[in-house]
Amino acid sequence: DAKTTQPPSMDCAEGRAANLPCNHSTISGNEYVYWYRQIHSQGPQYIIHGLKNNETNEMASLIITEDRKSSTLILPHATLRDTAVYYCIVRVFNDRDDKIIFGKGTRLHILP
Amino acid sequence: DTGVSQDPRHKITKRGQNVTFRCDPISEHNRLYWYRQTLGQGPEFLTYFQNEAQLEKSRLLSDRFSAERPKGSFSTLEIQRTEQGDSAMYLCASSSSSGRAADTQYFGPGTRLTVL
Repeated sequence: DAKTTQPPSMDCAEGRAANLPCNHSTISGNEYVYWYRQIHSQGPQYIIHGLKNNETNEMASLIITEDRKSSTLILPHATLRDTAVYYCIVRVFNDRDDKIIFGKGTRLHILP
Repeated sequence: DTGVSQDPRHKITKRGQNVTFRCDPISEHNRLYWYRQTLGQGPEFLTYFQNEAQLEKSRLLSDRFSAERPKGSFSTLEIQRTEQGDSAMYLCASSSSSGRAADTQYFGPGTRLTVL
């Protein structure tokens, strides 16, 4: 089972910041938080990941709480093309177990 | 475009037929993964390879499913005697196992299978 909890859907007005929450209260010290998104009928697209520090790239920012039990993905200026299902994932890397366990994600609707 | 390609993009077949899908990973990636996604659900892990070696198989991968990666480059996923329940999107991903923690998996566009 997925180790994260996300709201099933959210709306955001175009041009505003979209803040997508994720709870991962059982995260272990060596587990990373990853975010992917999936636009309709396409493969999942990697967005960002982090361990304990906040991260930012050209797509988004990832804010991880100090206790690491929750995080927020921020899309700073949402556009209609950001309409997608967003998956928050926790995973640990080791040589034998490298699969991603997806939950149902959050369906983000960007409203014009 | 992530650099992971899959062929075909769509496949319609009749129940009982065999189908084969191909995945070409990012060229320098040594790990390759297969996932399956049904409508309204997140992708589910099927199997993964490191180079030629198949390191893990999900219990979802029944005896009718077989995956190969003979030269450690492209991979094929074959489904024998297809059933209507096999209708899904089949996704391939690749990553580079460098020994560092949590190497990112990059996904292809998927192959959508419809079994009539």
